[in-house]
Amino acid sequence: AQSVSQHNHHVILSEAASLELGCNYSYGGTVNLFWYVQYPGQHLQLLLKYFSGDPLVKGIKGFEAEFIKSKFSFNLRKPSVQWSDTAEYFCAGPLSGSARQLTFGSGTQLTVLP
Amino acid sequence: DGGITQSPKYLFRKEGQNVTLSCEQNLNHDAMYWYRQDPGQGLRLIYYSQIVNDFQKGDIAEGYSVSREKKESFPLTVTSAQKNPTAFYLCATNNPGGARTGNTIYFGEGSWLTVV
Repeated sequence: AQSVSQHNHHVILSEAASLELGCNYSYGGTVNLFWYVQYPGQHLQLLLKYFSGDPLVKGIKGFEAEFIKSKFSFNLRKPSVQWSDTAEYFCAGPLSGSARQLTFGSGTQLTVLP
Repeated sequence: DGGITQSPKYLFRKEGQNVTLSCEQNLNHDAMYWYRQDPGQGLRLIYYSQIVNDFQKGDIAEGYSVSREKKESFPLTVTSAQKNPTAFYLCATNNPGGARTGNTIYFGEGSWLTVV
């Protein structure tokens, strides 16, 4: 079973729409969770990360994510997307059976229409 | 990303040939990883190494080999046994359990391999 899963493969939104991308993980222990973004033609960049403490994490460019332990989820949100948010988004979390190794979800391609 | 150097950036290989992709880091990170990125399939883990002289297979290790003779270097060889080698390959590093950065993974800029 996949350790980290992203259910939305391709999301298309109009500018100013709200965004929520799902991410679920399966590791039962202490987790570090991440969202990475890959803009067209660029390499992966860290958007935000959760280690401990406040489950609502703020990242760059107005993104945030909420860690909900009971749901094993770490969904990415943004209240109002822009055309420049068009990119592929990857959730990352612990490899099943090992909190020390990270594994990635399959990615969500976000297309924002102007 | 800064501090991780992958080379070459673009590589063409004839079928039946082995090629080696280089990954060097100056971040003093213990762990290094190789991922393969294909359209629609996201990032898939090929091999990873937690310390020098040790490495583990990831999800799609068949047709690949690695070595970790030095902390800063983790070369990946794509052998002729790899059936679909054309892809974008990413090297990454982290310090698992690091106090300041936790498990944050840092990526190189990637290498495009095309089999002709």
